[in-house]
Amino acid sequence: DGGITQSPKYLFRKEGQNVTLSCEQNLNHDAMYWYRQDPGQGLRLIYYSQIVNDFQKGDIAEGYSVSREKKESFPLTVTSAQKNPTAFYLCATSGQLMNYGYTFGSGTRLTVV
Amino acid sequence: QKEVEQDPGPLSVPEGAIVSLNCTYSNSAFQYFMWYRQYSRKGPELLMYTYSSGNKEDGRFTAQVDKSSKYISLFIRDSQPSDSATYLCAMSGAQGAQKLVFGQGTRLTINP
Repeated sequence: DGGITQSPKYLFRKEGQNVTLSCEQNLNHDAMYWYRQDPGQGLRLIYYSQIVNDFQKGDIAEGYSVSREKKESFPLTVTSAQKNPTAFYLCATSGQLMNYGYTFGSGTRLTVV
Repeated sequence: QKEVEQDPGPLSVPEGAIVSLNCTYSNSAFQYFMWYRQYSRKGPELLMYTYSSGNKEDGRFTAQVDKSSKYISLFIRDSQPSDSATYLCAMSGAQGAQKLVFGQGTRLTINP
């Protein structure tokens, strides 16, 4: 069953902690993306990767880090430097031609406690 | 000014009504236009895809692109409560490797 798996579905973080959100895909897509979604603000791009071992900052990269060691995986770490991390995080992928549309995962809801 | 503008709503209509959702954009290089539907606490799913200008119909859904006005629309006929969701427009330029630019999303509720 092809698709994107994001885990966990819900995540709670204490102040000062780093947490890592998982994104795995079996669509054989080259490009992967991380978005943050806040109520009423749409999707904001955090990081994206077009190829293994390479990634670029998006519009709101501060306080986040990523890696792309395998084509199938693009984990996102929310560091303690991210001052307002409570949000819904979405991972997406696209084939070689990005403008043919993205496929999204089901998201991870991160809450600071 | 944002590259893509979309009224966030919320928009509430009775069941069976025709719904019109719209986006405007400023970048004349945009050639690929998409509409995504997102249910609460879920990831967006691709609903309609259009290249360049014109109309595209799929069941109760019609997507329209007017490049001269930099305006795209999504029409939903015979709206159902199951259509209640947030609808996001997205678009990108002519080059194959350009990222999508998303609108803010419009929250739609269809009342039984």
